[in-house]
Amino acid sequence: DQQVKQNSPSLSVQEGRISILNCDYTNSMFDYFLWYKKYPAEGPTFLISISSIKDKNEDGRFTVFLNKSAKHLSLHIVPSQPGDSAVYFCAARRGSNYKLTFGKGTLLTVNP
Amino acid sequence: DADVTQTPRNRITKTGKRIMLECSQTKGHDRMYWYRQDPGLGLRLIYYSFDVKDINKGEISDGYSVSRQAQAKFSLSLESAIPNQTALYFCATSDLKGQGNSNEQFFGPGTRLTVL
Repeated sequence: DQQVKQNSPSLSVQEGRISILNCDYTNSMFDYFLWYKKYPAEGPTFLISISSIKDKNEDGRFTVFLNKSAKHLSLHIVPSQPGDSAVYFCAARRGSNYKLTFGKGTLLTVNP
Repeated sequence: DADVTQTPRNRITKTGKRIMLECSQTKGHDRMYWYRQDPGLGLRLIYYSFDVKDINKGEISDGYSVSRQAQAKFSLSLESAIPNQTALYFCATSDLKGQGNSNEQFFGPGTRLTVL
């Protein structure tokens, strides 16, 4: 049973436009959500996170929105840059002693 | 210098061989994890360890074993490698202390394993 779902395997956007990456989850016990970015030949790196008690968290060009009633979160990148081209993983945590559950990832391509 | 290192970075082996992947960290974290990444399947947890005396199975532990030799070292073994264990393997660390409640994990660069 896949508890964290990223239904879009890939997304292509033009430089300067907004990129929106989506993630759905099924476990209402998840209390923290994270986005990771992965370049080829490198390990994933942490990008931004949000607690379940919030509905928005912003860090520079990156904003994560959480809709608990819909069990949905999204990552907005504005403006998108070619260097943002990478695989983005959504992850969720259930309690401070629990491991992370990852989605399958979305490949973002930002075209110059 | 990298905080989380993995050796080897690439390995080609044959079916039936025993192989060990090693992970070392200088972050002083208590928690360490092994994941594998396959195309279209994302990151799946193999084993995790919350301290030296604690080892737990993840989603896909069959065919794998681990050893936590010290706080800084966590190795993954394939006792008898098979072709469907061909994948990219990542080690990660985390520590709740001083990081609030984020449980952010820090990943190594990965080991690309090919089993022929």
